[in-house]
Amino acid sequence: QKEVEQNSGPLSVPEGAIASLNCTYSDRVSQSFFWYRQYSGKSPELIMSIYSNGDKEDGRFTAQLNKASQYVSLLIRDSQPSDSATYLCAVGEIQGAQKLVFGQGTRLTINP
Amino acid sequence: GAGVSQTPSNKVTEKGKYVELRCDPISGHTALYWYRQSLGQGPEFLIYFQGTGAADDSGLPNDRFFAVRPEGSVSTLKIQRTERGDSAVYLCASSRAGGRSEQFFGPGTRLTVL
Repeated sequence: QKEVEQNSGPLSVPEGAIASLNCTYSDRVSQSFFWYRQYSGKSPELIMSIYSNGDKEDGRFTAQLNKASQYVSLLIRDSQPSDSATYLCAVGEIQGAQKLVFGQGTRLTINP
Repeated sequence: GAGVSQTPSNKVTEKGKYVELRCDPISGHTALYWYRQSLGQGPEFLIYFQGTGAADDSGLPNDRFFAVRPEGSVSTLKIQRTERGDSAVYLCASSRAGGRSEQFFGPGTRLTVL
C-alpha cells in the first residue's frame, strides 16, 4: 500500500512569515510530486510540481524534494491571509499520465 | 481556455438508486481521471482513461462503480445501487498524455446518498 503522509495541522503562521509544509512518501520509486491548494468547499488547484532532487521556485512558493529521504516540502514566503487553505501533497510513480496518491492534507491558517 | 467541467454540481439520491456523473475534460487532454474525496481526506483514485480505454481501474471500490469514455472526451461515472457510504465529492481531472502530465481538477460533484 503506497502511502503519503502529511501532518493534518492546523498549522498557524503569522502574516508575512514563512509557512513550511511537509510530506513523506513510502514508495521509493516515485518520480513525480505535486502540491495542490484546496480552499474550503472547492476542488484542488495545482500550485507546484517537482520531479528532480533539490529546490524549485515559483514566485512565493518553493518546492523541495529529497528522494533519498523520501521527503518533499513546500515553503510559502511572505504568507498572506489568502494562503489560508488545505495543502495536499500528491505522488506519482512515473512522469507521465498515471494515478496519483494523495496525502490527507495540511490545513494552513495565516493570521493577520 | 475552459477548464474541466463536471455536472451536476450536487446530486442527492436515495439508497439503492442509480446515478451518473459527467466530466468534460480540458480540450486536447487525452488522459482523464476520476477521484473521490471524503471530508477531511485527500482525493482517492478511482480510475483513469487514456483515450477511450481505461488504463487503470484499480481504484474502483467494487462492481457497482463503472466509468466510460466512449469517444475519448467526455466521461461518465456510473454508480449502481448507491449506498450511504458512497456519499463524497467526486472529482474529475484531466492531463496531457505524455511527458510531465500535470493533472487539473474540475469543480467536483457532491453526491449525497440518503
